Amino acid sequence: QVHLVESGGGVVQPGRSLRLSCAASGFTFNSYAMHWVRQAPGKGLEWVTIISYDGGDKYYADSVTGRFTISRDGSKNTLYLQMNSLRPEDTAVYYCTRGDGVTSAFDIWGQGTMVTVSP
Amino acid sequence: QSALTQPASVSGSPGQSITISCTGTSSDVGSYNLVSWYQQHPGKAPKFMIYEGSKRPSGVSNRFSGSKSGNTASLTISGLQAEDEADYYCCSYVGSSTSLYVFGTGTKVTVL
Repeated sequence: QVHLVESGGGVVQPGRSLRLSCAASGFTFNSYAMHWVRQAPGKGLEWVTIISYDGGDKYYADSVTGRFTISRDGSKNTLYLQMNSLRPEDTAVYYCTRGDGVTSAFDIWGQGTMVTVSP
Repeated sequence: QSALTQPASVSGSPGQSITISCTGTSSDVGSYNLVSWYQQHPGKAPKFMIYEGSKRPSGVSNRFSGSKSGNTASLTISGLQAEDEADYYCCSYVGSSTSLYVFGTGTKVTVL
């Protein structure tokens, strides 16, 4: 079965850093682009970032450019999101999702990990 | 890049059909046939329901159908069932310098 399992969320003070991980299983991780999508409490979904199947291309939403870095380790089938200079508005559930390169859809989602940025 | 516009809520009785609209612009929904739809039950992760505007992934009920006209995409749920009560989000590939993707504002579907 295809699975994505996020970890690394928690409570952090503004200005601090946090690294999220997403462990993939049940599919050929190195063949797919991967995304992070977040959802603030009681709000809608927001696309955050994408990394290509080989890690060569990365794109970010304006709201996180320069502060967040996406990466992947194919040997560990794991996706990462390094979040620096965190702000209260970054408080959200962060979902790891698999990207379909042809349809540009997010076809598999993890259960999410909660990040709370608070003094 | 602004969020796509969806109605905040839509309701219907069991067995009825409802339609959720997703309005964008000529720069997003109108430019690409890459609209997808997601269902989200409370406290759960989103579930992939529709891609390329009207195609269903394997395992998704044929009661769910999608369409697009101009800058507006739509999701129709026919034969409404209690388990369809959830939030629904559209999403479009945008390819802009500020964001590659934009989601809709979300619609709460209530089964009366």
